[in-house]
Amino acid sequence: EVQLVESGGGLVQPGGSLRLSCAASGFTFSSYDMHWVRQATGKGLEWVSAIGTAGDTYYPGSVKGRFTISRENAKNSLYLQMNSLRAGDTAVYYCARGGMTTVTTGIDYWGQGTLVTVSS
Amino acid sequence: QSVLTQPPSASGTPGQRVTISCSGSSSNIGSNYVYWYQQLPGTAPKLLIYRNNQRPSGVPDRFSGSKSGTSASLAISGLRSEDEADYYCAAWDDSLSWVFGGGTKLTVL
Repeated sequence: EVQLVESGGGLVQPGGSLRLSCAASGFTFSSYDMHWVRQATGKGLEWVSAIGTAGDTYYPGSVKGRFTISRENAKNSLYLQMNSLRAGDTAVYYCARGGMTTVTTGIDYWGQGTLVTVSS
Repeated sequence: QSVLTQPPSASGTPGQRVTISCSGSSSNIGSNYVYWYQQLPGTAPKLLIYRNNQRPSGVPDRFSGSKSGTSASLAISGLRSEDEADYYCAAWDDSLSWVFGGGTKLTVL
């Protein structure tokens, strides 16, 4: 059974940093692209970043230069380093599994999410 | 403002058929696959349709997807109370990013 468990969320001040982690199990982690997607309370889904099996990374303009996605295949773990955080980054952050061949393959499994609150 | 456009709400009575539209452009829906996700209240999203019209195992055949040009649709037939949820479309955009629709809240009357 595919399981994705996020951790590391919490309250952080504007301008601060936070590192999210995602522990994956139930599949060969190194063979899959991985994503982070966020959702502000009462709002829709927003894609935050993706990392391919070769370590290639992708970001939307809203977080590019502030967020860094990485993976550690030996630990079946995905990370999201978030710097220069703003109030608009407040959301539940989901770890999600993509495809095996290309990052253009969509998400098929989602974690339960971890809440990040940016506030003074 | 989401890149993919969905109606904010939809509704139907039990047993009815409802459709939810998703409009994009040539750089996303027009040239890439469309995915649909169901998000029940208080839970994480779940994959409903992949590659425009394919259902993962376990998803009832009451759910179907289609795509034409730069638009896509999700149809739910034989509507049930447990289908009340938010529905999102998504597609890869050739600008090297994933884009989502704003979501459609489905109410079963």
